[in-house]
Amino acid sequence: AQSVTQLGSHVSVSEGALVLLRCNYSSSVPPYLFWYVQYPNQGLQLLLKYTSAATLVKGINGFEAEFKKSETSFHLTKPSAHMSDAAEYFCAVSAAFGNEKLTFGTGTRLTIIP
Amino acid sequence: DTGVSQNPRHKITKRGQNVTFRCDPISEHNRLYWYRQTLGQGPEFLTYFQNEAQLEKSRLLSDRFSAERPKGSFSTLEIQRTEQGDSAMYLCASSLSQGTSYNSPLHFGNGTRLTVT
Repeated sequence: AQSVTQLGSHVSVSEGALVLLRCNYSSSVPPYLFWYVQYPNQGLQLLLKYTSAATLVKGINGFEAEFKKSETSFHLTKPSAHMSDAAEYFCAVSAAFGNEKLTFGTGTRLTIIP
Repeated sequence: DTGVSQNPRHKITKRGQNVTFRCDPISEHNRLYWYRQTLGQGPEFLTYFQNEAQLEKSRLLSDRFSAERPKGSFSTLEIQRTEQGDSAMYLCASSLSQGTSYNSPLHFGNGTRLTVT
């Protein structure tokens, strides 16, 4: 079984500051890991995914995440926050070789302070 | 690629009524998923189809819930005898699965928000 834990249900950063959203995973098999973003009253949009190729994954909108097996982590970062980054972010895990049954974390709401 | 389409966007119903939601996936996608998202939580898996076959159902999918994908294209999710606890956002997603050679990520629709009064 797989699970993810997102540390911090709310994160606030100033515009232009570093964004760091934390995600730790638990998986009995090699995991695929994902970050999705959700804007109000909308569905989820894929930011990036880790599928066992490169451990540093670059996504859309300047986000990236690093897979660290020793720390069972997949934290999401962005060097400089923009007002448009304000949204809910979800980390998710699935078993490798399949995308069914994505298991999501509880989400982190990111607020950008002008 | 017109994206995953869900209808209606919002549904308000009285407790005890039946409701049906529709999902139209991306046309070339063979897998279709239903998730439920309650306020302040991440999406929870309900069920998924490969073409017209329903391959897995979560224990969250009580016998009041039924999902179909009759021709392997669009899907419907029906909730019978709705309860206030069914109030949530119901999300549909689709993906292309080609066995071990390729699996696309899930593409989500904008969801149907159900309010049971």
